[in-house]
Amino acid sequence: KAGVTQTPRYLIKTRGQQVTLSCSPISGHRSVSWYQQTPGQGLQFLFEYFSETQRNKGNFPGRFSGRQFSNSRSEMNVSTLELGDSALYLCASSLGLAGGSSRSGANVLTFGAGSRLTVL
Amino acid sequence: DAKTTQPNSMESNEEEPVHLPCNHSTISGTDYIHWYRQLPSQGPEYVIHGLTSNVNNRMASLAIAEDRKSSTLILHRATLRDAAVYYCILKFGNTNAGKSTFGDGTTLTVKP
Repeated sequence: KAGVTQTPRYLIKTRGQQVTLSCSPISGHRSVSWYQQTPGQGLQFLFEYFSETQRNKGNFPGRFSGRQFSNSRSEMNVSTLELGDSALYLCASSLGLAGGSSRSGANVLTFGAGSRLTVL
Repeated sequence: DAKTTQPNSMESNEEEPVHLPCNHSTISGTDYIHWYRQLPSQGPEYVIHGLTSNVNNRMASLAIAEDRKSSTLILHRATLRDAAVYYCILKFGNTNAGKSTFGDGTTLTVKP
C-alpha cells in the first residue's frame, strides 16, 4: 500500500510569507500528526488530528496551524514566516482510535519523507 | 509528560550485537514504549514497540525491565545500514495518545 505522501518536498520562502504543506496518510489511517525537525531542537511535536479534530497540540505559536479533511488528508500552515521556521516538517499517520486509547499497534506512526522549508 | 533519556551516541562493529538503552522512569501504566529510527535524509521509521513483555520482530528485539522504567533495543547483528538515529518514545494512553515526545535520540555508528 502507498506510504505517507508529503508535498511539496522542498520549498523556499521569504520572511513574512506564508506556506501550506500537505500530507496524505496511509489509506485507512485516521490520525495525522506533524513534527518540526531542526538541527538545534530535534524532533518537536506540532499537533495531531483525528477525524478532522485537533486532539493534541505542542508548544508552538499560533502562526502554526493545521487542519484535517474528511478523507484524513491534512494540511499545516505557517503564517508570517521567520528565519527560524526553516526546518524539515514531518507528517506521520497512524490508525488511531476514538477516545485515544493506545491499544497495541493503533498508534504506531508511519512517517512521510518530509517537506524541507527554507526561509530566506 | 513522561520523557525518555538516551545516550547521545554509541558505536558498534559490523555483525556484532548492539544494545541501545532508554530510561523512562516516569512511565505510566498505559504508556507503550516505541522505538523508531531515522536514516540520513529520511523520515523516522518504526522499529518495534511493547508494553510489558519482551518483543521480537524481524528488525530487532525489545527488552523491557520488570518495573518498566527502562528498556533496551537489541539489534542482533548490526549492519552498516543500521547506522541511524534511534529514538525511544512513549505513546501515551487516554486522551494524549497522539502526543509523542521525541528526545534527541542515540546516534548509532556502525564500523566495518
